[in-house]
Formats: sequence, C-alpha cells, structure tokens
Amino acid sequence: ETGVTQTPRHLVMGMTNKKSLKCEQHLGHNAMYWYKQSAKKPLELMFVYNFKEQTENNSVPSRFSPECPNSSHLFLHLHTLQPEDSALYLCASSQDTAGDTEAFFGQGTRLTVV
Amino acid sequence: AQSVSQHNHHVILSEAASLELGCNYSYGGTVNLFWYVQYPGQHLQLLLKYFSGDPLVKGIKGFEAEFIKSKFSFNLRKPSVQWSDTAEYFCAVNEGGYQKVTFGTGTKLQVIP
Repeated sequence: ETGVTQTPRHLVMGMTNKKSLKCEQHLGHNAMYWYKQSAKKPLELMFVYNFKEQTENNSVPSRFSPECPNSSHLFLHLHTLQPEDSALYLCASSQDTAGDTEAFFGQGTRLTVV
Repeated sequence: AQSVSQHNHHVILSEAASLELGCNYSYGGTVNLFWYVQYPGQHLQLLLKYFSGDPLVKGIKGFEAEFIKSKFSFNLRKPSVQWSDTAEYFCAVNEGGYQKVTFGTGTKLQVIP
C-alpha cells in the first residue's frame, strides 16, 4: 500500500464512450501526476499538478482531460479514445515538484479501448 | 530532450548470481537519478536515488547504484540476487530542480531458483 489509490483497476471502453479514472492520495502531498505506461515504451509523463494547478501538459491529446479539485484527488476524463490509447495509466504523488522529491505511485488502471 | 537508455530489456539469472543493470542518460547538466522497481502485480516503488554527494548509493534489499558522471551512467548492482528480486526495474532521471522525470523502458529481471 503506497497511499496512492487508483480506481478502477481495469477498464474496458468503446471509442465513443466517456469514462473517468480516479486517483486519491493520503500522503499529504501537494503534487500529483498522470503517467502512461505502454508495452515496450518508457513511462510517459502526461500531466503535472502542483497545489491543484496544472504545471505540465506533455503534449497530450485533448481526448484526455485532467481535473484536480484538491491536492488529494486527481481525475483523468476520457472521451473518444483510440485503440492505441490502451495502456496502463499510473497516478503518482510527491511532496512537491522539486527535482529531488520521491514519487509514490498507485497500482494503475489498465485501460483497454475497443 | 532528455533520454534514458536501459540496454538490457530482459535478464535471466540464477539465484546467487551477481546483477548489473545498465542505465545511461543524455542530459549533461545537474541531474537527479532514481531506480524504481515494480514487483509482479504491485505498484512502482523507489529502490534508491542519487541527488548529490557520494556517487555510490545504497538502496533497499541490498541494491546499490553508482553514478559515473563522465559516462552519464547510473548502473544498478546487487552482489547476489534472490528469487524475490524478480521484477521490472526502471531507471529514471530528472534535470535537477524540477520533478519532470524521464523514465527508461525498463528491464525485466527473472531470477531462477
């Protein structure tokens, strides 16, 4: 248990569906992140939030829409996804966004787009 | 752009063998270096990290890594692996000062009893 909880653990959605991924951290951290983990590719940073403000959008398509209502919760809203968006989506948190801060990861949501 | 190379994609070792996993990065400035591990069915977790000081860093479970600035490397080592070390290992680097981490593609380690 890392203190970072992601739901659901598995999600299958059609290309016309709208769904949301949820992440919650109980560590009192101020920064939260979304990463995409695809087979045989490096972990890709998608979004960074620091004190609820988005500080990084790593050229992510608009069909992925993040939301951070408070420092403990992070959502990733999905709509009109493509099959190539199938991947493991990881949420992480850290005390802040300083370079020497350790990130704590959730177990991920395995997304399959059909 | 920063890049991280892990040249070994899949390593198979017998128990008690020594382990060295390679990691090279491209950024020439100040860096913070990490090794993360993902055990089967579990979350990514920090194994060890280097920020400054002694370039030989000790981590959990007997792992260590050595930062060699001239070689842009941060190789992970363990003198004697155990079956429980079977996992995927990720090297990660950020360009000091901001938590924008670049990960390598990972190395899957399989330890045979």
